[in-house]
Amino acid sequence: DGGITQSPKYLFRKEGQNVTLSCEQNLNHDAMYWYRQDPGQGLRLIYYSQIVNDFQKGDIAEGYSVSREKKESFPLTVTSAQKNPTAFYLCASSITPDRSQPQHFGDGTRLSIL
Amino acid sequence: AQSVTQLDSHVSVSEGTPVLLRCNYSSSYSPSLFWYVQHPNKGLQLLLKYTSAATLVKGINGFEAEFKKSETSFHLTKPSAHMSDAAEYFCVVSDRAAGNNRKLIWGLGTSLAVNP
Repeated sequence: DGGITQSPKYLFRKEGQNVTLSCEQNLNHDAMYWYRQDPGQGLRLIYYSQIVNDFQKGDIAEGYSVSREKKESFPLTVTSAQKNPTAFYLCASSITPDRSQPQHFGDGTRLSIL
Repeated sequence: AQSVTQLDSHVSVSEGTPVLLRCNYSSSYSPSLFWYVQHPNKGLQLLLKYTSAATLVKGINGFEAEFKKSETSFHLTKPSAHMSDAAEYFCVVSDRAAGNNRKLIWGLGTSLAVNP
């Protein structure tokens, strides 16, 4: 079955540590996205990538970094500069970058501070 | 400017009764509109999508939504709630303006509880 796989499901970060969240898709989609979800809020876009070797900042990119070296992979690094990283992180993809296309989501990674 | 307002943060219904989740939007252009569902600790799943074809859109699991331009609404309905419908529901709008600045605007979500 095609889909998006996020790992790990739960992740704990120590003070001053960078952590990387994995996102892999086998849908052959061009576009991929990272969102942050906090309780009582809608999804907020961190970064997106329209095509391999390209990515753009979203609304809340500070303290995060990404790479898109392969079409199927879009890892997100939460750096020590992100002072409030505790949240549920969702990766998504769409067949094209056109925002009228629906997005397909992984099951998320929950990041907490130790 | 685009915006999405989900009018109820929490809705509670009894099993077998109708569901109505309300969404109003504002958009300068012909929008695309979506409803997504999220079960606890899971990702989001597309329920249905409107992109300027039929104004009544049928989705998965018996849900449907009607696009009403005059009321700028896109309410989600289901005739008979099932226990498995208990989840968070998000209304999303995407403009269709030319250029590279299209973005999705997410509502804050409506939590649906279904009582036995």
